[in-house]
Amino acid sequence: EPEVTQTPSHQVTQMGQEVILRCVPISNHLYFYWYRQILGQKVEFLVSFYNNEISEKSEIFDDQFSVERPDGSNFTLKIRSTKLEDSAMYFCASRTGYTGELFFGEGSRLTVL
Amino acid sequence: SQQGEEDPQALSIQEGENATMNCSYKTSINNLQWYRQNSGRGLVHLILIRSNEREKHSGRLRVTLDTSKKSSSLLITASRAADTASYFCATDSGAGSYQLTFGKGTKLSVIP
Repeated sequence: EPEVTQTPSHQVTQMGQEVILRCVPISNHLYFYWYRQILGQKVEFLVSFYNNEISEKSEIFDDQFSVERPDGSNFTLKIRSTKLEDSAMYFCASRTGYTGELFFGEGSRLTVL
Repeated sequence: SQQGEEDPQALSIQEGENATMNCSYKTSINNLQWYRQNSGRGLVHLILIRSNEREKHSGRLRVTLDTSKKSSSLLITASRAADTASYFCATDSGAGSYQLTFGKGTKLSVIP
């Protein structure tokens, strides 16, 4: 069964460092998302991406964040200068565009020290 | 309550019993979905119900939606130990926005 894959599964970084989280969405999907979940809290929307551009973003998704789909298969989330409060599980998701069902990856756990 | 807020926060039942989780939301919705998350894992889509639907079934799952009360319920019948997970409802407002707003979830424990 097709699945969304994310790397790395866990990354530990120092505050102020840049981090890139990678995702390979399901191949025939058209819409791509990043969500995050701080430990014990709800899943929060960060950004949606369609047709090679951001279609929506939340207040969390400030200038420190950026997304890219560099090669038609990967979908990346970059955090330019990490803060302690960026520590969370980051989930990539995709969907076909025909239904509202999202397919999530297993997540990348980011720990900022 | 906030958009997509589930109750109870935690639920513990014996295997074979039914589990009911509720979700309330504040603003009008296009779709409401339920997702499951095993500890430390990704979210898995369970079922989607449109705003013009009142009930939907999928296997042992039954979802109801009452738009007048802005609430939904998820019923898992004949629960199994493998159903132990957190369950989240998520709403989207439509109108071109497919951003999902999740609740805090219900943590279900099914005791063998």
